[in-house]
Amino acid sequence: DQQVKQNSPSLSVQEGRISILNCDYTNSMFDYFLWYKKYPAEGPTFLISISSIKDKNEDGRFTVFLNKSAKHLSLHIVPSQPGDSAVYFCAASLMNRDDKIIFGKGTRLHILP
Amino acid sequence: EPEVTQTPSHQVTQMGQEVILRCVPISNHLYFYWYRQILGQKVEFLVSFYNNEISEKSEIFDDQFSVERPDGSNFTLKIRSTKLEDSAMYFCASSEAGVAGGRTSTDTQYFGPGTRLTVL
Repeated sequence: DQQVKQNSPSLSVQEGRISILNCDYTNSMFDYFLWYKKYPAEGPTFLISISSIKDKNEDGRFTVFLNKSAKHLSLHIVPSQPGDSAVYFCAASLMNRDDKIIFGKGTRLHILP
Repeated sequence: EPEVTQTPSHQVTQMGQEVILRCVPISNHLYFYWYRQILGQKVEFLVSFYNNEISEKSEIFDDQFSVERPDGSNFTLKIRSTKLEDSAMYFCASSEAGVAGGRTSTDTQYFGPGTRLTVL
């Protein structure tokens, strides 16, 4: 049951360049999307979110883009920094089912010096 | 900055034993959650809790699992008779609100550092 899919298990990006993490979803009833970052031995940390009524949300170096017709969202980090090396989880929640977040499997981002 | 805390960080138990995982949510939060992540797999929702009762649970959350808010600060997950396949990282999360009234930043879930449960 992979309602939220992150097809790239890992990604390496040069420091200072743009990191683009991708996520696809299958359930058109999702109305809220989130990105979490996770360091080893820590819990997921909320990064940024976007409602389905928007197509872009920006917070500092982080921008999330939502393409509802393609059921696709992406997280852009620019410029990438060494501290951005972590696992990034795409997540979604269902309209009227606010309690449950459905996570993707994660993408491990390596920022190269 | 307020944070969700969890104890212990690592729990080792024998199969068939009961374990209680403890969480202290952020103090003004009203919604509480448990998730788990089996090694190499995705983070999975287990249960949500509001107003002293379960509001939603997944198919994973069977009769062996229970949750409780025994006092004003703690939120616990009990596994009555652990199985080998219960070995996982268990994450507690809390949010200030649910989505009644529309999506706002107050329904963002904040996660604790996790408890690694190892069942032998």
